[in-house]
Amino acid sequence: NAGVTQTPKFQVLKTGQSMTLQCAQDMNHNSMYWYRQDPGMGLRLIYYSASEGTTDKGEVPNGYNVSRLNKREFSLRLESAAPSQTSVYFCASSEYGQPQHFGDGTRLSIL
Amino acid sequence: GESVGLHLPTLSVQEGDNSIINCAYSNSASDYFIWYKQESGKGPQFIIDIRSNMDKRQGQRVTVLLNKTVKHLSLQIAATQPGDSAVYFCAENRGSGYSTLTFGKGTMLLVSP
Repeated sequence: NAGVTQTPKFQVLKTGQSMTLQCAQDMNHNSMYWYRQDPGMGLRLIYYSASEGTTDKGEVPNGYNVSRLNKREFSLRLESAAPSQTSVYFCASSEYGQPQHFGDGTRLSIL
Repeated sequence: GESVGLHLPTLSVQEGDNSIINCAYSNSASDYFIWYKQESGKGPQFIIDIRSNMDKRQGQRVTVLLNKTVKHLSLQIAATQPGDSAVYFCAENRGSGYSTLTFGKGTMLLVSP
């Protein structure tokens, strides 16, 4: 029972490089989310997708784009990575009004 | 501004003690609250939730209490074990209709054997 799967688990980028973080869920949830977590901070919402075909900005969307590829998959893209985007990124999924289920994160360092 | 926060950033207890982790919220329209546990190197794991029409909910060794009068949420862990050592987050769902969760900054629980 995989739940929410994130790839890659670790990544190091140089400033200005681009990359896409992948997320897939096998729970048939309608909603998916991307968060970032910085040391000593709680989770901050970057983007979310309430249902397939929709995406909306969260608290900290600048510098990111997302794609809801299908019901299972929700990707996060950094077009031009900056050191301020060094963080741990978590993907989550849920049904409306139910707890979110999280993946184990992607640890991203930008030099 | 409105936020979810925690009173104690670190809580140290002895194995077998009961632990209480507190959380204050400021949005009176919040109607759903969740506690998550996060172990080192892992994603947050759902522990227990409570809706605003309840003031207490119990799970296995855990109890969540909601006091809407003072906008306070607590997580009680009975007979705390070393495996309970983790960061605990509260989260709130603000208002009716579709809305996203807002997380507090977390409390580190350290359990000594």
